[in-house]
Amino acid sequence: GAVVSQHPSWVICKSGTSVKIECRSLDFQATTMFWYRQFPKQSLMLMATSNEGSKATYEQGVEKDKFLINHASLTLSTLTVTSAHPEDSSFYICSATDPGLAGELTADTQYFGPGTRLTVL
Amino acid sequence: AQTVTQSQPEMSVQEAETVTLSCTYDTSESDYYLFWYKQPPSRQMILVIRQEAYKQQNATENRFSVNFQKAAKSFSLKISDSQLGDAAMYFCAYRSWPNKLIFGTGTLLAVQP
Repeated sequence: GAVVSQHPSWVICKSGTSVKIECRSLDFQATTMFWYRQFPKQSLMLMATSNEGSKATYEQGVEKDKFLINHASLTLSTLTVTSAHPEDSSFYICSATDPGLAGELTADTQYFGPGTRLTVL
Repeated sequence: AQTVTQSQPEMSVQEAETVTLSCTYDTSESDYYLFWYKQPPSRQMILVIRQEAYKQQNATENRFSVNFQKAAKSFSLKISDSQLGDAAMYFCAYRSWPNKLIFGTGTLLAVQP
């Protein structure tokens, strides 16, 4: 249970283009989703928190106009990197939580997708 | 603001042996959650174990257990009977309000056959 998928797993794009990354919760309803960025050999850095049906909350220093987040349904959140540049190249990971999850690993646990490697040429 | 510190950038353990990864955190909150996540070379983040601060009993999950010292703000992970598949980056994380995870810098664990 508590499976999160991401698509695509990797993408290469040209500078100036936009890229959309999808994050889906497969077997639970994700009322809250998170987007992280991870540079090589570094920890995860939270970019934004999104709640279904409302605007995302961005962390300080994250450009909301560059990283557009949409959480239109309880199972899908998207991250669009607009006008991508080489410095946007990174590993992007989403996670999801559901207050309704029962069991030992419950509502306060974030379940992570497999990540998306973005390379901007 | 809460912080999480992992002071061991790299650790190594022999297969079948036991290893302990350290984690300390700083917070003024009394109720919170702590997690250990594993990130193998595939980069998929995998939940290893979680601990609720209000529980005095240390969490265990099969070969994984924690030593939670609330007063000392310490949350170490013990891996018993280490296996080759345990080789990964391990991140300690603190859950702050409202459900934001703050990660440590990670400990890269190597398992020697």
